[in-house]
Amino acid sequence: ETGVTQTPRHLVMGMTNKKSLKCEQHLGHNAMYWYKQSAKKPLELMFVYNFKEQTENNSVPSRFSPECPNSSHLFLHLHTLQPEDSALYLCASSQEGAVLGTPLHFGNGTRLTVT
Amino acid sequence: QKEVEQNSGPLSVPEGAIASLNCTYSDRGSQSFFWYRQYSGKSPELIMFIYSNGDKEDGRFTAQLNKASQYVSLLIRDSQPSDSATYLCAGRAPDKLIFGTGTRLQVFP
Repeated sequence: ETGVTQTPRHLVMGMTNKKSLKCEQHLGHNAMYWYKQSAKKPLELMFVYNFKEQTENNSVPSRFSPECPNSSHLFLHLHTLQPEDSALYLCASSQEGAVLGTPLHFGNGTRLTVT
Repeated sequence: QKEVEQNSGPLSVPEGAIASLNCTYSDRGSQSFFWYRQYSGKSPELIMFIYSNGDKEDGRFTAQLNKASQYVSLLIRDSQPSDSATYLCAGRAPDKLIFGTGTRLQVFP
């Protein structure tokens, strides 16, 4: 099993569809993240879950809805998206609580296209 | 002002040369720094991290940190065409991890 697994790898959806992205980490980490990566822009942090509790919502529109049922699984529910939401969505995990920061481990991402 | 700033490039170096990638940061509370490599269409992959001032070497890679100047760099010795990718610098303050936009490196044979 790879460390952080995301499904699906590619997703095309219409603006009225509802879909979900799934992420699973096998590293025993206690924090999980959703990032959005658009062309020529830095990685944008969307949501952070620490010990299953959402600790950050970075002003993300309500058409994106995260769910973290346990510390190994993270979902991103999508509905009524806009074409500008087309991007690479990356899930990551880390072990929080250390004095010095720990790195994030990323999944392979979901390439989302909204038509 | 961007919190973590990188030149977008591309930085073009010949095979075998040293590639020098630079990053500056504005948050003096940043305690640790990470370099990620991202191939086109792929996810970022951690290659180096550094917490202390000075140099840290790992194989062909050397990370350098100067907290007084708020400057982080990554040196790649004996650059190979397979090193061609975008390199992301990230700085971690106690409550957040901030990524730069990345520098695209091209190593030509």
